[in-house]
Amino acid sequence: AQSVAQPEDQVNVAEGNPLTVKCTYSVSGNPYLFWYVQYPNRGLQFLLKYITGDNLVKGSYGFEAEFNKSQTSFHLKKPSALVSDSALYFCAVRDDAGTASKLTFGTGTRLQVTL
Amino acid sequence: AAGVIQSPRHLIKEKRETATLKCYPIPRHDTVYWYQQGPGQDPQFLISFYEKMQSDKGSIPDRFSAQQFSAYHSELNMSSLELGDSALYFCASSLGLGGYTFGSGTRLTVV
Repeated sequence: AQSVAQPEDQVNVAEGNPLTVKCTYSVSGNPYLFWYVQYPNRGLQFLLKYITGDNLVKGSYGFEAEFNKSQTSFHLKKPSALVSDSALYFCAVRDDAGTASKLTFGTGTRLQVTL
Repeated sequence: AAGVIQSPRHLIKEKRETATLKCYPIPRHDTVYWYQQGPGQDPQFLISFYEKMQSDKGSIPDRFSAQQFSAYHSELNMSSLELGDSALYFCASSLGLGGYTFGSGTRLTVV
């Protein structure tokens, strides 16, 4: 069974500082990894994905993530945080068990960026 | 670009009533997924459809059913509603092995 773990319930960072939101995964086959962001009372917005290729994936709003196979990790990063980045971030994984395979989400990490 | 459309945005029902949630996927996306997100919870997979056939089933109660119609739109039918069914219900669509696109969700409140 596929799963992702987000070990931090909340991450606090000052505006302008780099941020990292951690995610580790477990799959039986090739991992397809995703990051989504959710603002209060809103839907899930796609940030970036790793399917294959370069381990460093660049996404929306200046976010990037690094796929590390040996550590089974896919941490989300941003060089300089903004207050507007404050939201709930979900890591998700789907395995390659067919075109209709579901996404499994982590428990989410709340990012709080302060001035 | 067209997104995933869900209706209604908000729904208030009483216990034991029924509710129908609708989802219109991105054009040409052939797979639809339904997720339930309770307060402070991560989204939980309910059910998915590929080419109008159920492809996977998650933690969906027997009181719930869903189907996918032509043009791939989908409905989630919920009967004998309970207070615990109050949640945000997301629909997502995808094509192939790409990422999902989620709708804005339907907030169901059972009173």
